[in-house]
Amino acid sequence: DIQMTQSPSSLSASVGDRVTITCRSSHSISSYLNWYQQKPGKAPRVLVYAASSLQSGVPSRFSGSGSGTDFTLTISSLQPEDFATYFCQQSYNTSWTFGQGTKVEFK
Amino acid sequence: EMQLVESGGALVQPGGSLRLSCAASGFTFGSYEMNWVRQAPGKGPEWLSYISSSGSVIYYAASVKGRFTISRDNARNSVFLQMKTLRVEDTAVYYCARGRGDYVEGHYMDVWGTGTTVTVSS
Repeated sequence: DIQMTQSPSSLSASVGDRVTITCRSSHSISSYLNWYQQKPGKAPRVLVYAASSLQSGVPSRFSGSGSGTDFTLTISSLQPEDFATYFCQQSYNTSWTFGQGTKVEFK
Repeated sequence: EMQLVESGGALVQPGGSLRLSCAASGFTFGSYEMNWVRQAPGKGPEWLSYISSSGSVIYYAASVKGRFTISRDNARNSVFLQMKTLRVEDTAVYYCARGRGDYVEGHYMDVWGTGTTVTVSS
């Protein structure tokens, strides 16, 4: 299986901060990388697919970049509703795997 | 409104079996791929299984291959997960999720259910 490693595992930030989360894959996955947001007790919600395509309805402050093995999710100006856990997920082969998550907490 | 509702979660003993169901509404179910994903307490999601819109293509994660079986009934707008030989480590919230994408975009999950809880314990 392709392993997905996120960093950091948690971070503290304030409203208005620029936040960057990194995801690294154990093998090259081209641009087959998705980002999800999850709030406590809720299902994940897709934010970005194919590394940089914003899902319909997702605010433009979210953006994704990268290809190969290194990917980034950026929140340009953190809003109160963005405090959540973020996961990356690769779909390069037919054994899709998620990262372990990055929890964004209030500073 | 697009909606997925899982059911069938329960407390079951190790070695037991369980069948989960997922009922879809608000979209043309038979046109979409479907997945099952689980999440153990405090862990990240784990993709388990995929089924194509017609049911002709199926994939499984190595952790459940041979024990879990995915199926669908497009006439009933439902997808199922038959689980057998359950283990303590299968304890999790189980979600069904609609699949999207293609060979250019890859595969992602854009509509998720609320989940059903499976607890495997003696």
